[in-house]
Amino acid sequence: GQNIDQPTEMTATEGAIVQINCTYQTSGFNGLFWYQQHAGEAPTFLSYNVLDGLEEKGRFSSFLSRSKGYSYLLLKELQMKDSASYLCAVRDQGRGSTLGRLYFGRGTQLTVWP
Amino acid sequence: SAVISQKPSRDICQRGTSLTIQCQVDSQVTMMFWYRQQPGQSLTLIATANQGSEATYESGFVIDKFPISRPNLTFSTLTVSNMSPEDSSIYLCSVVAGGPREQYFGPGTRLTVT
Repeated sequence: GQNIDQPTEMTATEGAIVQINCTYQTSGFNGLFWYQQHAGEAPTFLSYNVLDGLEEKGRFSSFLSRSKGYSYLLLKELQMKDSASYLCAVRDQGRGSTLGRLYFGRGTQLTVWP
Repeated sequence: SAVISQKPSRDICQRGTSLTIQCQVDSQVTMMFWYRQQPGQSLTLIATANQGSEATYESGFVIDKFPISRPNLTFSTLTVSNMSPEDSSIYLCSVVAGGPREQYFGPGTRLTVT
């Protein structure tokens, strides 16, 4: 089965740094994703980690530790437009040549205050 | 990347009726998925739509309730059958395009069942 856990809500102020944690227990692992979802919109891709370590992409960074089943998304220089839900998702191991399926955590609702 | 469109974007339906949701992708993709997002919740995988064969359903979802068609590599439909208010949700089509890190989501179909 799949168990992906992340905090329900977080708040921060404009210009600050926030770290959103995600822990997972899955049957097989083939990559961890972070998506951003604004209210009423589709999720948009932020980051992908399949190897341990930090991936940096502008103001956003994502970290993965496969041995600990742990990831975090780091958002720097927060802006009001970063207020959104952040979804942690894990791809399981597919069968044969089939790519695994993507399973989502409940999402972390981030509110950025001025 | 892949551009995904869904029809309808939203609908209000009566209990006991069925609705078919269409998903169109601007390029040929091997893997296509259907997700559900209930109000205030994260995404739940319904099924993997396989081209040329029956869909693969996740635990808790059955073909009689959510029949899926995948006639070619750019198109799929999801039918929500014999609807009840509990089916009120956003239904999203998702595809993998270009590689394992590239999974995209359609804009979603917002369904309300009265």
